[in-house]
Amino acid sequence: DSGVTQTPKHLITATGQRVTLRCSPRSGDLSVYWYQQSLDQGLQFLIQYYNGEERAKGNILERFSAQQFPDLHSELNLSSLELGDSALYFCASSVGTNQETQYFGPGTRLLVL
Amino acid sequence: GDSVTQMEGPVTLSEEAFLTINCTYTATGYPSLFWYVQYPGEGLQLLLKATKADDKGSNKGFEATYRKETTSFHLEKGSVQVSDSAVYFCALSERGAQKLVFGQGTRLTINP
Repeated sequence: DSGVTQTPKHLITATGQRVTLRCSPRSGDLSVYWYQQSLDQGLQFLIQYYNGEERAKGNILERFSAQQFPDLHSELNLSSLELGDSALYFCASSVGTNQETQYFGPGTRLLVL
Repeated sequence: GDSVTQMEGPVTLSEEAFLTINCTYTATGYPSLFWYVQYPGEGLQLLLKATKADDKGSNKGFEATYRKETTSFHLEKGSVQVSDSAVYFCALSERGAQKLVFGQGTRLTINP
């Protein structure tokens, strides 16, 4: 158990819909990262927050957004969903921001029908 | 940009065999290198890491040495067990950068 929690575990929705994925980092960690794992793209970095502020952006679509709240939990919002958004979405956390070990949650499996 | 290349899978071995999973990287600076493991139906777990050249990371019988001259971080284990069956990911994190860059993953199956 990494100490990072993600909800829900599974999500099934339809094209065009909007969903919210939630992540709680390990106690004491200030950085939260979101990654997408799909069969064709592999594991890709989406976005990082540090202590409430956006720190880095990767291959995140404009239809996707995220935020980190004062209690340090984070939410990833996916809107206007397409079939190709079906993937496993991981959250990770670390203490700071510089090459530190990231601890991963169990993931949310999203299926868009 | 930064990238990580792992040997193609899947890899199938018998119990107690020697394991090597090759990993090479391309980076502009001095990255930290990681191996993560993903067991079926679970998230990624850190297996080992190395932060500078010639460092050796080790955990649970697995080892990998940071080789700057060959830009490699190959994963080895002397005697694999059925419980080692999983997908293994090599990754790097560039100094000053926030993200992990992953290889494509190598699926390992160990038969009894």
